[in-house]
Amino acid sequence: EVQLVQSGAEVKKPGESLKISCKGSGYSFTDYWIGWVRQMPGKGLEWMGIIYPGDSDTRYTPSLQGQVTISADMSMTTVYLQWSSLRASDTAMYYCARVYGSGPINQAPAYWGQGTLVTVSS
Amino acid sequence: EIVMTQSPATLSVSPGERVTLSCRASQSVGSNLAWFRQKPGQAPRLLIYGASTRATGIPARVSGSGSGTEFTLTISSLQSEDFALYYCQHYNNWPLWTFGQGTTVEIK
Repeated sequence: EVQLVQSGAEVKKPGESLKISCKGSGYSFTDYWIGWVRQMPGKGLEWMGIIYPGDSDTRYTPSLQGQVTISADMSMTTVYLQWSSLRASDTAMYYCARVYGSGPINQAPAYWGQGTLVTVSS
Repeated sequence: EIVMTQSPATLSVSPGERVTLSCRASQSVGSNLAWFRQKPGQAPRLLIYGASTRATGIPARVSGSGSGTEFTLTISSLQSEDFALYYCQHYNNWPLWTFGQGTTVEIK
């Protein structure tokens, strides 16, 4: 069974750094694109970026390029989303999601983590 | 950017009724269109991909159709678990993947 298990909720202050995680299991971790989706309070869904763990090919939504870093650790079968300096506007629920099939990037996101709530407040 | 527009914003329906949700793309996305259901406090769940293929475990009363710029999601007989928020999303060409703004299906 494919599972994506995310790290727990975080409360941070503006300017702090943060790294949240998404651990994949039940499939060949290196062979599937996996990305991050943001959902701000009461708002819709927005893709942030996506990574192919097999070779760490990482691609970002242009509007968020430089604001976050996505990485993967094959030995831990875990993908990460990190910020070097959080802002209040980063307050959101963050989901990881894996595409349906191996190989090509342009596939439907079929498997989702349970979400990690990040709250940034002074 | 491809803009995905869902309509209506809210649908008020009774259990057992049929409902049709619409999703329009600002330019063609072929059949690279997915539908999701999201309940409060939960992650989105994939219902339909490739515009018309049901995901694993999705019942036959849920169906999708369309291609190019016009898509629909139909639920033939609403059950309690169907009252939720629905999103469409195209995945035609990363990094241009975008979601619609959502349609809420609520109990009448």
